[in-house]
Amino acid sequence: SQQGEEDPQALSIQEGENATMNCSYKTSINNLQWYRQNSGRGLVHLILIRSNEREKHSGRLRVTLDTSKKSSSLLITASRAADTASYFCATDDYGNNRLAFGKGNQVVVIP
Amino acid sequence: DVKVTQSSRYLVKRTGEKVFLECVQDMDHENMFWYRQDPGLGLRLIYFSYDVKMKEKGDIPEGYSVSREKKERFSLILESASTNQTSMYLCASSLWGFGEQFFGPGTRLTVL
Repeated sequence: SQQGEEDPQALSIQEGENATMNCSYKTSINNLQWYRQNSGRGLVHLILIRSNEREKHSGRLRVTLDTSKKSSSLLITASRAADTASYFCATDDYGNNRLAFGKGNQVVVIP
Repeated sequence: DVKVTQSSRYLVKRTGEKVFLECVQDMDHENMFWYRQDPGLGLRLIYFSYDVKMKEKGDIPEGYSVSREKKERFSLILESASTNQTSMYLCASSLWGFGEQFFGPGTRLTVL
């Protein structure tokens, strides 16, 4: 069963703006990961945040984690056309012994 | 540079054919996964393997089987392809079960 659920499902922004997307999950986790998928390609790992971390940065990416609300957000600052992609969150689903991916969040950055 | 390769980017098969999708990783990872991806449904796990000759069913194993005879290779088999198996198939590997997964480029399979 899918744990992570991203929100909003689709986002269209102008180049240079920030893009924020959220992920909620149902059960306790140790880690939460974010992935990017460019059209028609495989997923690429962006960042992993542990349950004892509240915020993590990687370049123009900022991820926050609120375990009390069982949610995470991914912020892309100063977006570029190349950021156009689908973004997935994934949580460790120990009950089913695998990662659980959300359905994805499509971001379109308009040049 | 770490790499997961899949045998084909595009594949067209006929209903009833036996189809083999091959995945190879060069990172000496223990864990390998097969997903299918359909619009609106996200990634769905078909099978995964945490060791050579070991396999475990995912969420949608019906109509599929897998083989892992060597650590670096994980094959997905469609025993008798059907049109509802038309999809994008993604292979991934990871060092540990819940760690970062490295994905292949995907195989877009069309069953006519």
